[in-house]
Amino acid sequence: DAGVIQSPRHEVTEMGQEVTLRCKPISGHDYLFWYRQTMMRGLELLIYFNNNVPIDDSGMPEDRFSAKMPNASFSTLKIQPSEPRDSAVYFCASSFISRGADTQYFGPGTRLTVL
Amino acid sequence: AQKITQTQPGMFVQEKEAVTLDCTYDTSDQSYGLFWYKQPSSGEMIFLIYQGSYDEQNATEGRYSLNFQKARKSANLVISASQLGDSAMYFCAMRPFTGGGNKLTFGTGTQLKVEL
Repeated sequence: DAGVIQSPRHEVTEMGQEVTLRCKPISGHDYLFWYRQTMMRGLELLIYFNNNVPIDDSGMPEDRFSAKMPNASFSTLKIQPSEPRDSAVYFCASSFISRGADTQYFGPGTRLTVL
Repeated sequence: AQKITQTQPGMFVQEKEAVTLDCTYDTSDQSYGLFWYKQPSSGEMIFLIYQGSYDEQNATEGRYSLNFQKARKSANLVISASQLGDSAMYFCAMRPFTGGGNKLTFGTGTQLKVEL
């Protein structure tokens, strides 16, 4: 089975540009998560969805960040306008809760560099 | 709020030896799950092992086992017969099953280096 798919794997952009990160969760998983990893702050949960509905976006740093999940097999994380401090690795993960237990499976990540 | 503490920023182990990576957690929830992930230098996050707070047996997955001590709020990862490919960053994480939604809280990680 295919795991979580993310694109692009690497993105280099200039400050002020719009960046769109894409994620395809594992088929059948009903939760989708967006994380950001930096050396300074470690792994941070940005937002997560359940059945395509955003449940908790309290980790989204500011209004420049937005996330959508138009259907069960696709999600986007958009940064507009991007800033150098947004440089990080962005992970998408998905999970399926069964009998109270779940495991989040991560995609390979998108390494974003904002110049 | 949940907190995960990994006090070992770096560890060294000889190939074929066993190693224990420490993890303690703080939560007021009675029901929760504990997870370990591996992040090699290539960057992906790989799920290793899961332990539920009400599981009576310690979880095992191949060479990985979780030494779960609920009263001490610790969930140490034990890797037996270390291999060079085990060199990576290891993260402990926790998710409460009540309140907290479906959020995983991660520790700061332990960098493991396996030597010949």
